[in-house]
Amino acid sequence: KAGVTQTPRYLIKTRGQQVTLSCSPISGHRSVSWYQQTPGQGLQFLFEYFSETQRNKGNFPGRFSGRQFSNSRSEMNVSTLELGDSALYLCASSLAVGGSYTDTQYFGPGTRLTVL
Amino acid sequence: AQKITQTQPGMFVQEKEAVTLDCTYDTSDPSYGLFWYKQPSSGEMIFLIYQGSYDQQNATEGRYSLNFQKARKSANLVISASQLGDSAMYFCAMLTGGGNKLTFGTGTQLKVEL
Repeated sequence: KAGVTQTPRYLIKTRGQQVTLSCSPISGHRSVSWYQQTPGQGLQFLFEYFSETQRNKGNFPGRFSGRQFSNSRSEMNVSTLELGDSALYLCASSLAVGGSYTDTQYFGPGTRLTVL
Repeated sequence: AQKITQTQPGMFVQEKEAVTLDCTYDTSDPSYGLFWYKQPSSGEMIFLIYQGSYDQQNATEGRYSLNFQKARKSANLVISASQLGDSAMYFCAMLTGGGNKLTFGTGTQLKVEL
């Protein structure tokens, strides 16, 4: 079974631009979560999508948004990029059945975004 | 609020030796899951092992085992017979009943030496 895929793997943008990152979950997985990883803040939860609906949201400004399609693929968008948005963006998928605290998340390789 | 604490920023271990990576957690939720992930320099987070709050036995997966001490709120990862390929960053993480939001620790950088 193919793992979680993320595109693109690397991205360089300038301040003020916007960017869209894509994530394809493991086949059959219904939940997609996004995380931001930076040296200073560590790993932080952005949001989770399940059945095309945002189910959870982290503490990020409205410039960060996402969506999920009917095939469970997800995109996240960052508008008006700032230097501090430079990070590794990780997407994770899970089956989302049963109790949520048992739901193992499997991660993709990440998209490394550099904002100049 | 949930919190994960990893107090070892870096660890060294000799090849073929066992190593323990520490993790303590804090939550008021009685139902929670604890996870360990490995992140090589390439960046991908690799799931290693899971322990549920109601599990009576410590989880094991090959060379990985989880030393779960509920009363102490600790979930240490034990890697037996370390290999050079085990050199990576290791993260402890927790899920509670509030949805698929993993709370991560700050990680431990493990280096395996010959």
